[in-house]
Amino acid sequence: ETGVTQSPTHLIKTRGQQVTLRCSSQSGHNTVSWYQQALGQGPQFIFQYYREEENGRGNFPPRFSGLQFPNYSSELNVNALELDDSALYLCASSLSAATHRTEAFFGQGTRLTVV
Amino acid sequence: GDSVTQMEGPVTLSEEAFLTINCTYTATGYPSLFWYVQYPGEGLQLLLKATKADDKGSNKGFEATYRKETTSFHLEKGSVQVSDSAVYFCALSDSGAGSYQLTFGKGTKLSVIP
Repeated sequence: ETGVTQSPTHLIKTRGQQVTLRCSSQSGHNTVSWYQQALGQGPQFIFQYYREEENGRGNFPPRFSGLQFPNYSSELNVNALELDDSALYLCASSLSAATHRTEAFFGQGTRLTVV
Repeated sequence: GDSVTQMEGPVTLSEEAFLTINCTYTATGYPSLFWYVQYPGEGLQLLLKATKADDKGSNKGFEATYRKETTSFHLEKGSVQVSDSAVYFCALSDSGAGSYQLTFGKGTKLSVIP
């Protein structure tokens, strides 16, 4: 079975631009969560998608948005990029959003640098 | 809100030394607890988990016991190897949170020297 894959692995954008990050969930997983990991910090929850619907959101502004597709892959979109958006963006998939006991499987991440 | 506090690093140990990384948490519900490991340049890998009080999670020689009375989930290993050098994150997923997202600590960087 394939794991969680993210693309691209690295990205450099200019302040004010928009960016789209992509994630393919692990086979059979219907839940995808996105996290932002700033340098030297733990990951912070951005939002979660369950069966194509947003299923929870962390403390991030509306310029962070997402989608989940029928095959459960997902996109994270960030508009009006700011320098502080520079971070490692991690996608995690899990078998179900219905329980807090389910473990999440992470991709390798996308390193976004905003200049 | 939920939070996780883990000991600050970096931690430097000699090979075969004993490792303890402390982790305490606050949660509104009855959380599941996790340890994730991040090797340089990589994403997070689940190391072990425990879903109820007094459960012990274990993997690759690492262990952690869910202590509800002290709200702790300390990570231990009896004899570390150079290959254990990585950043370790304690995390929780709360039964009181609708979307069951993970709340992470800030991470503890471990360096093991030969």
